[in-house]
Amino acid sequence: GEDVEQSLFLSVREGDSSVINCTYTDSSSTYLYWYKQEPGAGLQLLTYIFSNMDMKQDQRLTVLLNKKDKHLSLRIADTQTGDSAIYFCAESLYNFNKFYFGSGTKLNVKP
Amino acid sequence: SQTIHQWPATLVQPVGSPLSLECTVEGTSNPNLYWYRQAAGRGLQLLFYSVGIGQISSEVPQNLSASRPQDRQFILSSKKLLLSDSGFYLCAWSRDREVNEQFFGPGTRLTVL
Repeated sequence: GEDVEQSLFLSVREGDSSVINCTYTDSSSTYLYWYKQEPGAGLQLLTYIFSNMDMKQDQRLTVLLNKKDKHLSLRIADTQTGDSAIYFCAESLYNFNKFYFGSGTKLNVKP
Repeated sequence: SQTIHQWPATLVQPVGSPLSLECTVEGTSNPNLYWYRQAAGRGLQLLFYSVGIGQISSEVPQNLSASRPQDRQFILSSKKLLLSDSGFYLCAWSRDREVNEQFFGPGTRLTVL
């Protein structure tokens, strides 16, 4: 099977940067994704990165991919209380229909 | 625009009873469809996915089954629920494209007592 791992919790102060980390095991990953889940709701795609890229920036979000170490991170600049949610990393493999999610990192932003 | 519906939103069922959760998608045709379970404090587990009517792939052996009787309808079923079936069930759809963005429904909270 495919293992995608994340730390369970992260707590930051409003205005600080948040860095959420993820590791995966399958080197045949094609795309890697970050999803956000607000309480009691489904998931929404935040951003994604193709596996041959090192970095992708999208407004306050920066995704870094270290393919050698199979490590993915999401940096949120100027974190706001509205960013409090669970963040999931996910990978899709050569079969684009298959998706594997991490356990999710609960981000708590303190005012 | 596309929308995805799940019902019921919440469900409390006794052990041994049957289950039927329904998911429908509007505004698109021939979507890929997925069922996930999110157990308390755990991540998303892919249960089933379907690339077309009557085509179901199961990811893990379990007490559940899925069916796709129509193009935009995906049903999750069980003949006899177990306590371990409790969780938050999410349906999702995606287009058959390389960047497989998934669009999630609101979820069904299932509690088996």
